[in-house]
Amino acid sequence: AQTVTQSQPEMSVQEAETVTLSCTYDTSENNYYLFWYKQPPSRQMILVIRQEAYKQQNATENRFSVNFQKAAKSFSLKISDSQLGDTAMYFCAFLNSGGYQKVTFGTGTKLQVIP
Amino acid sequence: DGGITQSPKYLFRKEGQNVTLSCEQNLNHDAMYWYRQDPGQGLRLIYYSQIVNDFQKGDIAEGYSVSREKKESFPLTVTSAQKNPTAFYLCASSTRATKNIQYFGAGTRLSVL
Repeated sequence: AQTVTQSQPEMSVQEAETVTLSCTYDTSENNYYLFWYKQPPSRQMILVIRQEAYKQQNATENRFSVNFQKAAKSFSLKISDSQLGDTAMYFCAFLNSGGYQKVTFGTGTKLQVIP
Repeated sequence: DGGITQSPKYLFRKEGQNVTLSCEQNLNHDAMYWYRQDPGQGLRLIYYSQIVNDFQKGDIAEGYSVSREKKESFPLTVTSAQKNPTAFYLCASSTRATKNIQYFGAGTRLSVL
């Protein structure tokens, strides 16, 4: 079974600064997908960024980028130029590319952006 | 607008009562999911379904039941066998055509009276 670990329950960052959220996972699969989802205080979950394991290039979406280290099974999220609207819970998630589409989530990191 | 609709937003259950949470999507997604969210425990998978009339147990299926009679609908019943049902419940859907990204509903908060 796959496991996803987020070791930082809470983090804070000053507005306009950069912060990195950690995620590690455990799998014996070679092909899979990794995601970061954001849950703001409204509790509406939305996708932040997605990475396919077979792609070596790290995914980027505007101020959000990942550091994907397949051998180390690490998938960290970097938020640049942090904004107040980035305050939220962030969840790392894992999905196998084949078979049943079961998604495994980490326990989340609560990020507070300080003005 | 396409999306996922969960209802009701708040639900109260009496002792020994079964309650059903609704989840409807008009995204034409094949897969649908139910998650339970408790403080400090992230999202835990209850049930998921990849096609109509087929569904799989997730990690915490005991005390819950689902059906998938239509592609658009995936209701979750919290039975009286679920002794600690107070939680926030999220429904999601996805499809391989949109890169397996999960789209979530706004959630249902279930409390016990």
